[in-house]
Amino acid sequence: LAKTTQPISMDSYEGQEVNITCSHNNIATNDYITWYQQFPSQGPRFIIQGYKTKVTNEVASLFIPADRKSSTLSLPRVSLSDTAVYYCLATGFQKLVFGTGTRLLVSP
Amino acid sequence: KAGVTQTPRYLIKTRGQQVTLSCSPISGHRSVSWYQQTPGQGLQFLFEYFSETQRNKGNFPGRFSGRQFSNSRSEMNVSTLELGDSALYLCASSLGDREDTGELFFGEGSRLTVL
Repeated sequence: LAKTTQPISMDSYEGQEVNITCSHNNIATNDYITWYQQFPSQGPRFIIQGYKTKVTNEVASLFIPADRKSSTLSLPRVSLSDTAVYYCLATGFQKLVFGTGTRLLVSP
Repeated sequence: KAGVTQTPRYLIKTRGQQVTLSCSPISGHRSVSWYQQTPGQGLQFLFEYFSETQRNKGNFPGRFSGRQFSNSRSEMNVSTLELGDSALYLCASSLGDREDTGELFFGEGSRLTVL
């Protein structure tokens, strides 16, 4: 299972764009990069997933360079409700080890 | 489509007792994974079941066990409870087959308090 490394915490203000970078140097050929969001006392929630290049949905964008050794989750115009822990994982059909995640704090 | 359902949501036990937690996955999902979450240790992988077989296992003692039924519902059991077992236990389901890209759907969790 590929190990991922991401910053422990980040601070931002409402309305700003937040970019969280994750490194996954030994990602397997068949693995996807998947990001989850977790609020206190709740289960993690799927945000976005990609294999290469760029993926965008109504919540976020995911940028993956050609070598796939890293990825960047981009949250446009964050709000207070985006304060949460964000996990980056390299995923396939074999099950998943979550790292410590990035604790994002959005302030007014 | 109903989500992942975990029962009970909250429970209190005393040291030495045992507990069984239940998880009903999303219809059509054959993989169920269990995680333990504590403030100090984060989200720790317990085990994964697929088609009634344990496919992956985390680094937990034998007091933690699980099983999966033919309808994909899963239970986990913790015997001889210790204070350190107090945690939020999360269940997640997914397709589990080769088409599975790793998108997990989590339940609300079962919060266990051991006194």
